Amino acid sequence: DTGVSQDPRHKITKRGQNVTFRCDPISEHNRLYWYRQTLGQGPEFLTYFQNEAQLEKSRLLSDRFSAERPKGSFSTLEIQRTEQGDSAMYLCASSFRDRSYEQYFGPGTRLTVT
Amino acid sequence: AQTVTQSQPEMSVQEAETVTLSCTYDTSESDYYLFWYKQPPSRQMILVIRQEAYKQQNATENRFSVNFQKAAKSFSLKISDSQLGDAAMYFCAYRSPRQLTFGKGTKLSVIP
Repeated sequence: DTGVSQDPRHKITKRGQNVTFRCDPISEHNRLYWYRQTLGQGPEFLTYFQNEAQLEKSRLLSDRFSAERPKGSFSTLEIQRTEQGDSAMYLCASSFRDRSYEQYFGPGTRLTVT
Repeated sequence: AQTVTQSQPEMSVQEAETVTLSCTYDTSESDYYLFWYKQPPSRQMILVIRQEAYKQQNATENRFSVNFQKAAKSFSLKISDSQLGDAAMYFCAYRSPRQLTFGKGTKLSVIP
């Protein structure tokens, strides 16, 4: 069990560019979550998958954001036409259905939009 | 919508002493989970302790314990025998069915 991993750990991009982040959950976990954390704040929920189905999306997830989990394993989060306000830490977490109250977090991807 | 409030942006404690971090929340639900997460500098968030709302007994995990007051919607974390490795951001979180709602966090410093 290697834990939740995220790639890349850091991303610097220019405003208007598209970026994609990847999350690999713990292998037997069927639930996957994305959160966004800005400086001085706690994480804010973005979206949730159970297997490959995206079951819930926050209002924070504007139409420039899209998340996928095509085979129910890893997930990607894409941000199109990045804006400076997108600069944040993007956290991924996973959980097992029968213990869904216990979410395990990855190290996060820190995005800086210049 | 549920809200979680941590009123102490920063706290400090002497090594080996005890510190209590405060958290209040607002919900209309009767059954839920509450958590304390620890986020060390540049490291990932880890679960410290969990409390089920239907349980009257306060949860404990080694040096960490909670004071859960359901009627008052209060959920404080007590760290006993503080260690240098306890220095971190601590987040209180409320679990809705499919997501966690976090407070803004309390930065804990441990003074040697």
